[in-house]
Amino acid sequence: DVKVTQSSRYLVKRTGEKVFLECVQDMDHENMFWYRQDPGLGLRLIYFSYDVKMKEKGDIPEGYSVSREKKERFSLILESASTNQTSMYLCASSWAAHVTDTQYFGPGTRLTVL
Amino acid sequence: GQNIDQPTEMTATEGAIVQINCTYQTSGFNGLFWYQQHAGEAPTFLSYNVLDGLEEKGRFSSFLSRSKGYSYLLLKELQMKDSASYLCAVMDSNYQLIWGAGTKLIIKP
Repeated sequence: DVKVTQSSRYLVKRTGEKVFLECVQDMDHENMFWYRQDPGLGLRLIYFSYDVKMKEKGDIPEGYSVSREKKERFSLILESASTNQTSMYLCASSWAAHVTDTQYFGPGTRLTVL
Repeated sequence: GQNIDQPTEMTATEGAIVQINCTYQTSGFNGLFWYQQHAGEAPTFLSYNVLDGLEEKGRFSSFLSRSKGYSYLLLKELQMKDSASYLCAVMDSNYQLIWGAGTKLIIKP
């Protein structure tokens, strides 16, 4: 069974704080993704990574950065949190790059920025 | 631009059949996925279609027509546990998933 875990289920931060969201997968997947999910909108891709130390911008990268120092771990960083970043953040992983493959999701982190 | 459309919400009765439609316009096509997402939980994979036709998997079936840019998810013998959101996603020519906003399915006894 593929397992994708995220460091927190719920997080409350203040405007201007630096926020780290961690994601770990245990299936040796090459691809990892960070999405945000807001009511009435589809999942929106923030960043993705096809390999260690590699990152690509998704559709909404502004205000975010990522880090992938190890294959199993993909971190999302909010350098200075703002209220419009209040959202559900979902991490996902899949087997290989540039092929059609199922994405497996973590349980999500519901972030509230006050 | 790329677009995935699906109804926002549907209601059905326990034991009945429901069909959730999805239409898409994307840059290229490398398959269509359906995911199920219970409230407060992660999306989980249901089905994948890349060729035209119907794929059956137990109570769930998924249909694809590439020429029409159309898919549907058919759920039979509905159970209360099927109450969830159903997400349609298309993989485009760059192998990126384009997601619909999801259809919230409410099952009534």
